[in-house]
Amino acid sequence: DGGITQSPKYLFRKEGQNVTLSCEQNLNHDAMYWYRQDPGQGLRLIYYSQIVNDFQKGDIAEGYSVSREKKESFPLTVTSAQKNPTAFYLCASSMNRGRTETQYFGPGTRLLVL
Amino acid sequence: AQSVTQLDSQVPVFEEAPVELRCNYSSSVSVYLFWYVQYPNQGLQLLLKYLSGSTLVKGINGFEAEFNKSQTSFHLRKPSVHISDTAEYFCAALKTSYDKVIFGPGTSLSVIP
Repeated sequence: DGGITQSPKYLFRKEGQNVTLSCEQNLNHDAMYWYRQDPGQGLRLIYYSQIVNDFQKGDIAEGYSVSREKKESFPLTVTSAQKNPTAFYLCASSMNRGRTETQYFGPGTRLLVL
Repeated sequence: AQSVTQLDSQVPVFEEAPVELRCNYSSSVSVYLFWYVQYPNQGLQLLLKYLSGSTLVKGINGFEAEFNKSQTSFHLRKPSVHISDTAEYFCAALKTSYDKVIFGPGTSLSVIP
C-alpha cells in the first residue's frame, strides 16, 4: 500500500538534546512538507522540499533542520535551539508543489519534553 | 497576508442532526479552498476541495461545501452526522500562485449519541 509513514509515534526529548523525526513516503511524490500542530492554532509550516537536495524554510523554521537526500525521505531534526518543542508534528507530501495538489499526511509524531 | 478563519472552535451536535462548520478566508484574489478531517492522533485526510466551476462541492463521507465568493466563505455541511464523524476539521486556502497552503485553526466536531 502506498502512503506516508512517520516514526516514532511518541518521542521524548531531554533538555539540550537534538532529536530526529522520520518521514518516509512511497507515493513517488516530489514535494514533502513538515508542519507543527499546536492546540487551537491549526498547522504551521516548518520546512518544505520540492525536489531532492533542495528545501526551503517555512513560517517557523527556527530551531529546526531538515535534509532531503532521497526522494522518499524527509527527516526533521528538532535542535536544542527550539525552546518550546512540545507539539504534534505532521509530515505531508504532494505530487509536486502545484497550487491545486492535494497533500497526503502521515499519522504524526507527538514530541514531549522531559 | 491571507488568513483563514474558523469561527467555531467546538461544535457539539446530536447524532443524525445536520451540521455546518464555518470557514471564511481573507483574500482579494481568487483562491483554492480545501477541507481536511483529522481523527484523534492521526494525520489529516482531504474531505473535498474547490478549484473552479460549480460552487457546490461534494466530498467523501457525505460532506459538501459551498464556495461563496461575495461572502468569502466556504462552509462545510452534512445533512445527518454519525458518531464516526467526531473529529477535528480544518479549512485551508491557497492563492492562485505557487504559494503555501494556509490552514485555519480547526473546529472540533463532537457527535453526541
